[in-house]
Amino acid sequence: NAGVTQTPKFRILKIGQSMTLQCTQDMNHNYMYWYRQDPGMGLKLIYYSVGAGITDKGEVPNGYNVSRSTTEDFPLRLELAAPSQTSVYFCASSFETSGVLGTDTQYFGPGTRLTVL
Amino acid sequence: GESVGLHLPTLSVQEGDNSIINCAYSNSASDYFIWYKQESGKGPQFIIDIRSNMDKRQGQRVTVLLNKTVKHLSLQIAATQPGDSAVYFCAENIEGGGNKLTFGTGTQLKVEL
Repeated sequence: NAGVTQTPKFRILKIGQSMTLQCTQDMNHNYMYWYRQDPGMGLKLIYYSVGAGITDKGEVPNGYNVSRSTTEDFPLRLELAAPSQTSVYFCASSFETSGVLGTDTQYFGPGTRLTVL
Repeated sequence: GESVGLHLPTLSVQEGDNSIINCAYSNSASDYFIWYKQESGKGPQFIIDIRSNMDKRQGQRVTVLLNKTVKHLSLQIAATQPGDSAVYFCAENIEGGGNKLTFGTGTQLKVEL
């Protein structure tokens, strides 16, 4: 299993440009998540999905959109990039909560480093 | 608002010593806690988890302690090695919260040779 993969690894955008961050997981996880991590900070949840066709807002959803047409893929869309969106973006996935320790954890991708100038 | 926070931003230890990383949480409804390790340029990596009906859980060289009375979580790393150098995050999940996690700001662990 490749786990959670993200593309691209790095990207520089100009203000007002748009882009899609790709995320794919091959672990057959129902739940998927998008986080952003600003320098020296923890992760903040942008959007999450509990299954194909279902998405919901997290803590910081403004300026982003998501879709979940398949179990495997969960792309994050930035429509009008702003300097405040300069960050590292992490995608994660997990099983539904099972109550079994070690199995409810989220598995993270390697991240996409985005700079908006 | 509810938050997860860490007491120390940086912890320096000698190789071979034990490390203790602390975390405070404020939401009494949290029922599941996870420790993650994040190396530079990489995504967070699962270390160990614990549920609110437990006080202690051990893994390989790591132990997590949970004190619900004072809402405190700690990660103990035995015989710290250079490869343990990383940022460590605690995260909490609120019961019924759709497996959403709230992360603390992280503690940088530096292992000195």
